[in-house]
Amino acid sequence: SQQGEEDPQALSIQEGENATMNCSYKTSINNLQWYRQNSGRGLVHLILIRSNEREKHSGRLRVTLDTSKKSSSLLITASRAADTASYFCATDANNDMRFGAGTRLTVKP
Amino acid sequence: EAGVAQSPRYKIIEKRQSVAFWCNPISGHATLYWYQQILGQGPKLLIQFQNNGVVDDSQLPKDRFSAERLKGVDSTLKIQPAKLEDSAVYLCASSRLGRGQGYTFGSGTRLTVV
Repeated sequence: SQQGEEDPQALSIQEGENATMNCSYKTSINNLQWYRQNSGRGLVHLILIRSNEREKHSGRLRVTLDTSKKSSSLLITASRAADTASYFCATDANNDMRFGAGTRLTVKP
Repeated sequence: EAGVAQSPRYKIIEKRQSVAFWCNPISGHATLYWYQQILGQGPKLLIQFQNNGVVDDSQLPKDRFSAERLKGVDSTLKIQPAKLEDSAVYLCASSRLGRGQGYTFGSGTRLTVV
């Protein structure tokens, strides 16, 4: 069964805008990870945030984690057409990684 | 470092036939995972190996799916006999031993059962 649930299911924005995706989960976790998947390709690891961290940055990516609300958000700033992809959150609980259904992001040039 | 290698890239078979997928993880990665990703869904874990031992196969349909990692390096996933609902992308991933590691995924094998 899948653990995380991403919201929204689909998001369409213009190039240069920011994109925010949310993830909610149900059980306690060790860490939460975000992955990107381009159409027909494998998943690429973007960023990992541990359960004792609240915010993490990597380039144009900003991830927050609220363990009290069991939720996380991924912010992509100054989006580019190349950011068009599906984004998945994955929760790691006792080395058991579960993925959500993903958010499909479309960035229009 | 080289990535996770998977083959074949695509496979079309008829229902009730058998099929096998191969995965070669990143050198030194003790943990290997097989995921099934149905179109429009997130990846679902089928089986997790640590070296050549199975850690978790609770979601593997054992009546038709089998997997092995004999020497603790590469792995094969087999389906026999295949059903229409097995049409999906089969993804292999590997990680270093221990928690809190990002996974490296292969490009996957797209299986179509007709």
